[in-house]
Amino acid sequence: QKEVEQNSGPLSVPEGAIASLNCTYSDRGSQSFFWYRQYSGKSPELIMSIYSNGDKEDGRFTAQLNKASQYVSLLIRDSQPSDSATYLCAVKPRGGSYIPTFGRGTSLIVHP
Amino acid sequence: DAGVIQSPRHEVTEMGQEVTLRCKPISGHDYLFWYRQTMMRGLELLIYFNNNVPIDDSGMPEDRFSAKMPNASFSTLKIQPSEPRDSAVYFCASSFDPLNTEAFFGQGTRLTVV
Repeated sequence: QKEVEQNSGPLSVPEGAIASLNCTYSDRGSQSFFWYRQYSGKSPELIMSIYSNGDKEDGRFTAQLNKASQYVSLLIRDSQPSDSATYLCAVKPRGGSYIPTFGRGTSLIVHP
Repeated sequence: DAGVIQSPRHEVTEMGQEVTLRCKPISGHDYLFWYRQTMMRGLELLIYFNNNVPIDDSGMPEDRFSAKMPNASFSTLKIQPSEPRDSAVYFCASSFDPLNTEAFFGQGTRLTVV
């Protein structure tokens, strides 16, 4: 059973702060990692993908991957109230169907 | 392209009734996925199709659930008979190549079985 674990939160941060979201996974053979953002009542949308160890930056977002420790994180710098949403971590296996397994998501609240 | 289109957006039905959810994937996408999302279990893959053929339906919870994809532009998820525990948001998603590309989600159908 492949598992993807996230703290459900909510994680509350003040506007302008750094929000740190974490995700751990059980399948050591996983090769692709994704962060989706889901606003309340809306569908998930992809915001970041990462495939190799280290950091990947895209604007205010940084994804960090550590395959040895089997965790992936998402940092949001200069958090804005519009970043308030649930963030889903998704992990794809190596080979096979390449269909991702999703975590349950972490609720982020950015308060003014 | 208008994206993945699902209908209806909301469905309220009585226990025991048949429910049919519909999905139109993005044109040219060969993969179609049906997901169910609940607070307790998160986002679960129910079934996925490749070129209209069901590939993996191991996530379908019971025989009450069935899915079809008669052509490249249409899929249905049917629940018969429906039960209150089926209440959830059901998402359809499509993808060109799940290895290298993301899946695009529809807006979902919020199903309430009373």
